[in-house]
Amino acid sequence: GENVEQHPSTLSVQEGDSAVIKCTYSDSASNYFPWYKQELGKRPQLIIDIRSNVGEKKDQRIAVTLNKTAKHFSLHITETQPEDSAVYFCALGESGGSYIPTFGRGTSLIVHP
Amino acid sequence: EPEVTQTPSHQVTQMGQEVILRCVPISNHLYFYWYRQILGQKVEFLVSFYNNEISEKSEIFDDQFSVERPDGSNFTLKIRSTKLEDSAMYFCASTGQGLGEQYFGPGTRLTVT
Repeated sequence: GENVEQHPSTLSVQEGDSAVIKCTYSDSASNYFPWYKQELGKRPQLIIDIRSNVGEKKDQRIAVTLNKTAKHFSLHITETQPEDSAVYFCALGESGGSYIPTFGRGTSLIVHP
Repeated sequence: EPEVTQTPSHQVTQMGQEVILRCVPISNHLYFYWYRQILGQKVEFLVSFYNNEISEKSEIFDDQFSVERPDGSNFTLKIRSTKLEDSAMYFCASTGQGLGEQYFGPGTRLTVT
């Protein structure tokens, strides 16, 4: 199946700093790239997603960029707050009848007040 | 806001026993999924279900696993003969379209002793 590498595995920042998490993949057929936030003991929740016909998408403090040529996409969080602390998973997949998402290994983001 | 629900929240079973995990997807959704997350690890796709049949399944979803939609609301995952390594959090998810936001349930923590 599709392989996705997510880095870093742990990211520690001070409140107010920016955080960037990157995922790289190999299958050029992938065309849907969501990011999920999972707080401790809770369910994953979609925070932002991007499709392959778009290079960047922004929602308040969160943005995702996609470079299809280089096969990587990144999550950017600006002005981080302690409540942003969670595990963030990238995922990707290919449309075409069914969708089999492949998740990255997750990044534990810690925002220090 | 409608949510995916799962029962039970925690299931403890002995090795070799059968378990059934239950999910109620969002009512107008058409695609249903089961995922597994071993403690501290990434979310792993098990199976997708559409139009009353399995659409896709991963290597993890072997003959010990089965899914069913017995009525118009429930979506179940059965593990016939549990193994120690089946211990994990099992998430159900649903989506209204094949390629789009997945709504996760709160999960069932399965502990096999």
